Amino acid sequence: EDKVVQSPLSLVVHEGDTVTLNCSYEVTNFRSLLWYKQEKKAPTFLFMLTSSGIEKKSGRLSSILDKKELFSILNITATQTGDSAIYLCAVLLLQGAQKLVFGQGTRLTINP
Amino acid sequence: ETGVTQTPRHLVMGMTNKKSLKCEQHLGHNAMYWYKQSAKKPLELMFVYSLEERVENNSVPSRFSPECPNSSHLFLHLHTLQPEDSALYLCASSRSYGRGNEKLFFGSGTQLSVL
Repeated sequence: EDKVVQSPLSLVVHEGDTVTLNCSYEVTNFRSLLWYKQEKKAPTFLFMLTSSGIEKKSGRLSSILDKKELFSILNITATQTGDSAIYLCAVLLLQGAQKLVFGQGTRLTINP
Repeated sequence: ETGVTQTPRHLVMGMTNKKSLKCEQHLGHNAMYWYKQSAKKPLELMFVYSLEERVENNSVPSRFSPECPNSSHLFLHLHTLQPEDSALYLCASSRSYGRGNEKLFFGSGTQLSVL
């Protein structure tokens, strides 16, 4: 069974801290891994990672994929209260039909 | 704004009611999706439409009935739901389906409570 596991499930830090969110997967027919941020309701796209070892960066957020060890991390530096959200990891599988398998999410809370 | 609009934002219904959720995308995408997000569970894919044809139906009970009249609109018709169907129902769209590089754009969801 295809599985995506995120850790931690919940994280509370102070503004200015750096956080690392983890996503590991056990799937067949891996195509790419995606990160989403869900603040109120609508998940918004952050990154799509297809190749191992290539860091993707957007401002204070960065992410990297390790296809050998089957995981990805999402880093947020100098956190701000606006970074508080649920961060979702999803793996895109492709074998004939396409399937996006989500993890449970990490609820990140940034305290001032 | 993600370009995907869902209505209503909140819905409370009894188990004998019939209601519909609506989704509209303004992105010119060809694929649309319904996902269910229950508390403390991963997003679960319910249905996928590509070019107005249903391409996936993930063992969803028949009390959920999707409809895709055109590539911009997607409905989810609900009837005789159970309390365990209470969840956030998210609609999403993508430029295409099946090419392995699709980013999904999500709507804000309908928070459904079944009493």
